[in-house]
Amino acid sequence: EPEVTQTPSHQVTQMGQEVILRCVPISNHLYFYWYRQILGQKVEFLVSFYNNEISEKSEIFDDQFSVERPDGSNFTLKIRSTKLEDSAMYFCASSEGTGPRELFFGSGTQLSVL
Amino acid sequence: QKEVEQNSGPLSVPEGAIASLNCTYSDRGSQSFFWYRQYSGKSPELIMFIYSNGDKEDGRFTAQLNKASQYVSLLIRDSQPSDSATYLCAAEKAAGNKLTFGGGTRVLVKP
Repeated sequence: EPEVTQTPSHQVTQMGQEVILRCVPISNHLYFYWYRQILGQKVEFLVSFYNNEISEKSEIFDDQFSVERPDGSNFTLKIRSTKLEDSAMYFCASSEGTGPRELFFGSGTQLSVL
Repeated sequence: QKEVEQNSGPLSVPEGAIASLNCTYSDRGSQSFFWYRQYSGKSPELIMFIYSNGDKEDGRFTAQLNKASQYVSLLIRDSQPSDSATYLCAAEKAAGNKLTFGGGTRVLVKP
């Protein structure tokens, strides 16, 4: 069964360092997303990406965040200068087409900022 | 701020019983609604979605939507211990748009 894959599964970094979280969405999907979940809190939307550009972003997704689809298969989230409050589980997701449809989530990257 | 609200639980149900989960949303522009199951430390998995008023059944699960009351519910029939998880309600305004998640209801099914 096709799945969204994320690497690494765990990332520990020092405050102020840059991190890149990587995702390979399902191959025929057109919409790509990043969500995050701080421990014990809601799943929060960060950004959506369609047709090689950001289609929507949340207030969380400030200038420290960026996304890229560098090669037609990978989808990355970069945090330029990490803060303690960026510690969370980051989920990549993808979906196909239009209309109500399933959002397939990856298994997540647990980011710990020390 | 547009919110999706759920009772955090835990909702404790005996094995074989019906679990009833509720969700309310504040944005009347929301069109589609999703129920996800999330086991501790894992990613959300879709159970079902609904976008028309009324009931929608899928196996042991039934989703109900009432747009006038801005209310979505999920019934789990014949609850099993493996159904013990956090159930997330999510709303979407238009296809391809973001999902706004509720905080989830933790369900415990006791043998």
